[in-house]
Amino acid sequence: DTGVSQDPRHKITKRGQNVTFRCDPISEHNRLYWYRQTLGQGPEFLTYFQNEAQLEKSRLLSDRFSAERPKGSFSTLEIQRTEQGDSAMYLCASSPPGVENTEAFFGQGTRLTVV
Amino acid sequence: AQKITQTQPGMFVQEKEAVTLDCTYDTSDPSYGLFWYKQPSSGEMIFLIYQGSYDQQNATEGRYSLNFQKARKSANLVISASQLGDSAMYFCAMREGNAGKSTFGDGTTLTVKP
Repeated sequence: DTGVSQDPRHKITKRGQNVTFRCDPISEHNRLYWYRQTLGQGPEFLTYFQNEAQLEKSRLLSDRFSAERPKGSFSTLEIQRTEQGDSAMYLCASSPPGVENTEAFFGQGTRLTVV
Repeated sequence: AQKITQTQPGMFVQEKEAVTLDCTYDTSDPSYGLFWYKQPSSGEMIFLIYQGSYDQQNATEGRYSLNFQKARKSANLVISASQLGDSAMYFCAMREGNAGKSTFGDGTTLTVKP
C-alpha cells in the first residue's frame, strides 16, 4: 500500500438516494480527514479522526452526513437523502502520528454526481 | 474573514522561467503551518512544500521555494525553471496550532507555455 485509497472513484446517484464512500489511509497513519471540493474552489474540511475518535466536525456537515472509522483504520462517509448540492469531489487524506505540522497525503477522491 | 487568500485565479509563465504564486493568511495563533499543494487535471492533491511558523529560514524543495514573510502574513510559492508538467491548480493551506484540519485557499491555475 503506497498511498491513500478511495472507493469508488466516481458515483452517480439519483436525488434522495443514500451513498457511502470508503477511504483506506496509509497504514501507519493515525489521522484521517475528509474534505469536499467543488469546481473551482479549494477543499473544504468536513471531519477529522485520530484513530477511531472523531475529534472535529465542520458545521458544513449537515445531519445527512455521517462518518465513521470503527477500528481506526479505514473510514466511511455516508450521505443520506442526497441533494444536487452534494455533487462534489470528496477527498480523504491521512497523516502520521507524532509530528504536528506534517503534510496530509491525499487520495484521488470520489467524484459524486447527484442527478 | 478569509483565512487563506490567493488573489491570482490564473497565471501564465513561459517554460524555463520562474513564477511566484501569492498566498496571504490570517491567524492569531502563534503556532501554525503553511502548505502548498499541486492539483493536476487528474484530481489528486500533491504535497509540495511546508513552512512552520517558527522556522527561521524559508523552506525549499527542489525547484519549489516558499517566500515566507511572517510580519506581512504571506507565504508565496516560487517555482523556478517552469516545466510544462507544472501546469496545474496550486493551493495554499494552513493548519493552526494542534487543529487537525487544514484551511485551503481557492487556488491559482498555472499554465506553462512552451
